[in-house]
Amino acid sequence: AQSVSQHNHHVILSEAASLELGCNYSYGGTVNLFWYVQYPGQHLQLLLKYFSGDPLVKGIKGFEAEFIKSKFSFNLRKPSVQWSDTAEYFCAQNDYKLSFGAGTTVTVRA
Amino acid sequence: DAGVIQSPRHEVTEMGQEVTLRCKPISGHNSLFWYRQTMMRGLELLIYFNNNVPIDDSGMPEDRFSAKMPNASFSTLKIQPSEPRDSAVYFCASSPGTGELFFGEGSRLTVL
Repeated sequence: AQSVSQHNHHVILSEAASLELGCNYSYGGTVNLFWYVQYPGQHLQLLLKYFSGDPLVKGIKGFEAEFIKSKFSFNLRKPSVQWSDTAEYFCAQNDYKLSFGAGTTVTVRA
Repeated sequence: DAGVIQSPRHEVTEMGQEVTLRCKPISGHNSLFWYRQTMMRGLELLIYFNNNVPIDDSGMPEDRFSAKMPNASFSTLKIQPSEPRDSAVYFCASSPGTGELFFGEGSRLTVL
């Protein structure tokens, strides 16, 4: 069975700080990986996705993620966060269905 | 495109009542998913349809829950009878088969 593990439950940081959220996925035949974001009171939206090719994936709003196969990791990064990045972030893996990690709440203080 | 449309957005009901949540997927998408989100359990996949056929319902909590997809443009999730522990946000999502899911706004259910 697939399992996605997110390292941090809650991250608090100041504006302009760098952000890195850890994600480890379980081994599967096909590795399709995603990061979704859920802003307060809203639905989940896709930040970025990895299917194959360049392991460094660029997403929306300045986010990027790096796929490291040897570490089964797909960490999310942003060099400089803004207050509007306050949200919950979910890593997900898709074989035939999407399995989500527990989520990381990110609070950015102005 | 209008995106995935869910109704109602909010539902407050009393224990024992029947609840029906509705979902219209994005036109052309062949997969539909129902998720439940709670603070305690996070996002849980309840059931997954492919081409209107239920493929995996192992996440459906118990017999009180049922889901149908009578055609490619409509799905329902029914809870009968409802219980307070069913209170959650229920998300519907559809996919064109690429692995990426497109989520609706969710239905927030409160069972008193």
